[in-house]
Amino acid sequence: DAKTTQPNSMESNEEEPVHLPCNHSTISGTDYIHWYRQLPSQGPEYVIHGLTSNVNNRMASLAIAEDRKSSTLILHRATLRDAAVYYCILRERGDKLTFGTGTRLAVRP
Amino acid sequence: NAGVMQNPRHLVRRRGQEARLRCSPMKGHSHVYWYRQLPEEGLKFMVYLQKENIIDESGMPKERFSAEFPKEGPSILRIQQVVRGDSAAYFCAIARDHEQFFGPGTRLTVL
Repeated sequence: DAKTTQPNSMESNEEEPVHLPCNHSTISGTDYIHWYRQLPSQGPEYVIHGLTSNVNNRMASLAIAEDRKSSTLILHRATLRDAAVYYCILRERGDKLTFGTGTRLAVRP
Repeated sequence: NAGVMQNPRHLVRRRGQEARLRCSPMKGHSHVYWYRQLPEEGLKFMVYLQKENIIDESGMPKERFSAEFPKEGPSILRIQQVVRGDSAAYFCAIARDHEQFFGPGTRLTVL
């Protein structure tokens, strides 16, 4: 699996937007960009995924650079419950997930 | 985590004992993934199983670890003669379309 690079940690204020960056300069044409998050003492939870176009769902938005070498997960209004480790993962369809160390997001009240 | 049950949630073993971790996916799912998460690290893939068949075991340690998913019953991850370094959280997951759904994990502590 191609590698991703994320900041180790980020902080946000509650009810403000959060932009979590991810670099994946060696992405291949068939790699999907996936985001998962892991709340404390829980298993990872799917957030969103995309291939080339920006994506929106009820949890977040995913902005993908035109050259696909980077992407940004956007939480539109952070809540305390969004405090988690966020993982950016490249994955071919149906394949296992390869997790990095992710970005630990802290949300200040 | 709906749809994937794991038990026990917490397991304590002494060095040299055996650990058995169980994963029960929701009905209709015949494939499971197992992952291990060491403290302060991301999850690492261990094995991908179909009922009665191992599809990919490239992440399994060569010794003491085995996994199965019988025709009936849960998938079992078995660790023989546990050592302190086996202390970790073990997660199983099912796949549906592009998503993987993870269970709550089993936290193994080896004393």
